[in-house]
Amino acid sequence: DTGVSQDPRHKITKRGQNVTFRCDPISEHNRLYWYRQTLGQGPEFLTYFQNEAQLEKSRLLSDRFSAERPKGSFSTLEIQRTEQGDSAMYLCASSLTGQVNYGYTFGSGTRLTVV
Amino acid sequence: SQQGEEDPQALSIQEGENATMNCSYKTSINNLQWYRQNSGRGLVHLILIRSNEREKHSGRLRVTLDTSKKSSSLLITASRAADTASYFCATALSGGYNKLIFGAGTRLAVHP
Repeated sequence: DTGVSQDPRHKITKRGQNVTFRCDPISEHNRLYWYRQTLGQGPEFLTYFQNEAQLEKSRLLSDRFSAERPKGSFSTLEIQRTEQGDSAMYLCASSLTGQVNYGYTFGSGTRLTVV
Repeated sequence: SQQGEEDPQALSIQEGENATMNCSYKTSINNLQWYRQNSGRGLVHLILIRSNEREKHSGRLRVTLDTSKKSSSLLITASRAADTASYFCATALSGGYNKLIFGAGTRLAVHP
């Protein structure tokens, strides 16, 4: 297990299309997080899973965004009817309950460009 | 929303010099963490300081935390060109599951 994997690394899509990103966390990590980062800004929280349960979703997240984590393993983030404002880096991170003195492990991100 | 705010936004120094970045936050925290991000990559965890700690060291990194002022600083000693990156502070809020809220970051450039 070499860390958190995200796929694809880059995605270019036309406005109005749907896109789906995948995240494979560290296998023993039960917590999974999605963040969005735009140029020159810090990561912005989108949503959090503990095992398969989605426990928090940012109020900033529109209904066009949905995330799943079936069976508590990998997670997918789907954006429907993409808009130019969705262009950003989408970051996934994972951690383990009880290891509060350790940070998150981040993936390399998926860079989305909506044209 | 972003709780942490880093200062300065950008820092340019020569190799061998020390780099100091500051972070301020607004609400009670469980811990505060610092991350590094190289251009176009994911974030790498550097160091974590708990709310009951005042100072922590890891290699060339020194972090301080002042909960009364709701501020933290990251010092990188004897900087190297490879330290060039963006540095973010992130606060884990009290209660809940230690959700991390990030600041906007400090962009550090270390020139050979």
